[in-house]
Amino acid sequence: EAGVTQFPSHSVIEKGQTVTLRCDPISGHDNLYWYRRVMGKEIKFLLHFVKESKQDESGMPNNRFLAERTGGTYSTLKVQPAELEDSGVYFCASSQDLTPPYSVDEQFFGPGTRLTVL
Amino acid sequence: AQTVTQSQPEMSVQEAETVTLSCTYDTSESNYYLFWYKQPPSRQMILVIRQEAYKQQNATENRFSVNFQKAAKSFSLKISDSQLGDTAMYFCAFMRERGGSQGNLIFGKGTKLSVKP
Repeated sequence: EAGVTQFPSHSVIEKGQTVTLRCDPISGHDNLYWYRRVMGKEIKFLLHFVKESKQDESGMPNNRFLAERTGGTYSTLKVQPAELEDSGVYFCASSQDLTPPYSVDEQFFGPGTRLTVL
Repeated sequence: AQTVTQSQPEMSVQEAETVTLSCTYDTSESNYYLFWYKQPPSRQMILVIRQEAYKQQNATENRFSVNFQKAAKSFSLKISDSQLGDTAMYFCAFMRERGGSQGNLIFGKGTKLSVKP
């Protein structure tokens, strides 16, 4: 079974440019999450999709960030325009619905996209 | 707001020895979930072990076990018989219970563990 994949693995852009990150979750996983780790800090939650709907977007830093999940499959995270403080590693994770005996399912993480804004 | 603290930025251990990674958290909720994730160098983060707060018994997964102290809000990870493949960044994470639905993870800053031959 293929794991969570993310594209690109690295992206270097100039301040003010636009970048789009893509995440392909594990097939059949309704839950999709975006997280970000800025250098030296904790991994922070950005948002959570259930199928194509945004369940929780409380972690999105500002309106320069736009996330979509087309048809409940892959997701994109667009940063427009990018700022220096947006640099970091962006992780995507997916999970399926509850499966006994656990009452919470494991989140499977992708390898991350390292974004550098110059 | 919930917070997770890992007070050991880096640790090292000799192969075959035992090491304990510390994690404390802060929450006012009575039920929640705790996790340890491992990220080997240049590889994806994977789940090591999970604990549901309403369960008093400490979780174990082969060489990995936790010491869950709910009153102290402490959730340490013990790795027995350390192997070179255990070299990784270890993240402690917290998740609120949301009526059984999925929720976001709150992470600590991580502990970089090096296993030396």
